[in-house]
Amino acid sequence: QVQLQQRGAGRLKPSETLSLTCAVYGGSFSGYYWSWIRQTPGKGLEWIGESNHVGGTRYNPSLESRVTISVDASRSQFSLRLSFVTAADMAVYYCARQLVGANNPFDYWGQGTMVTVSS
Amino acid sequence: EVVLTQSPGTLSLSPGDSVTLSCRSSQSFSVNYFAWYQQKPGQAPRLLIYGASSRATGVPDRFSGSGSGTDFTLTISRLEPEDFAVYYCQQFGSAPWTFGQGTKVEIK
Repeated sequence: QVQLQQRGAGRLKPSETLSLTCAVYGGSFSGYYWSWIRQTPGKGLEWIGESNHVGGTRYNPSLESRVTISVDASRSQFSLRLSFVTAADMAVYYCARQLVGANNPFDYWGQGTMVTVSS
Repeated sequence: EVVLTQSPGTLSLSPGDSVTLSCRSSQSFSVNYFAWYQQKPGQAPRLLIYGASSRATGVPDRFSGSGSGTDFTLTISRLEPEDFAVYYCQQFGSAPWTFGQGTKVEIK
């Protein structure tokens, strides 16, 4: 049974860096893209970016200047860093898995982390 | 960026009803690069349908998907109480991957 378990700080101040980690249990780490997705009431679901198991990344252009996604394949986990957060970054953040190759959706998701930004 | 527009925003239905949800894309896609998800309050989205009509593991056959080009649909036959939720479409044919804004299926 594949499980994605998220951890990380959920309360930040403006200009701080958001840092979340997603640990993968019960499945292979290679052969997948590992994504971060966030959800707000206003903008809905927004894909942030992805990494493969060797650190090849792709980011949403809307966030690319502030985002870093990294992987630690030895621990089967991947991380998100989003710098200089503002109130606009308040959202529920999810990690998710996507099989490498064409026509593959997000088949497993983490439990979500609510992130608030307040001074 | 590809914009996905779902309609309607909210549907009020009764258990046993059948429903078809719509998702229109700003760009034409093969249905192979398209998926539907279900989300209940406090939970992560759950994959329902991907590709032409492939159901994810454990998804009942009352859920089906179809479409091509810019218009895609999710049909739920005979709504069960657990089907009342928000449904999202998603494309993974052109990065950045994008989602529709969701259709809420609520109990009348």
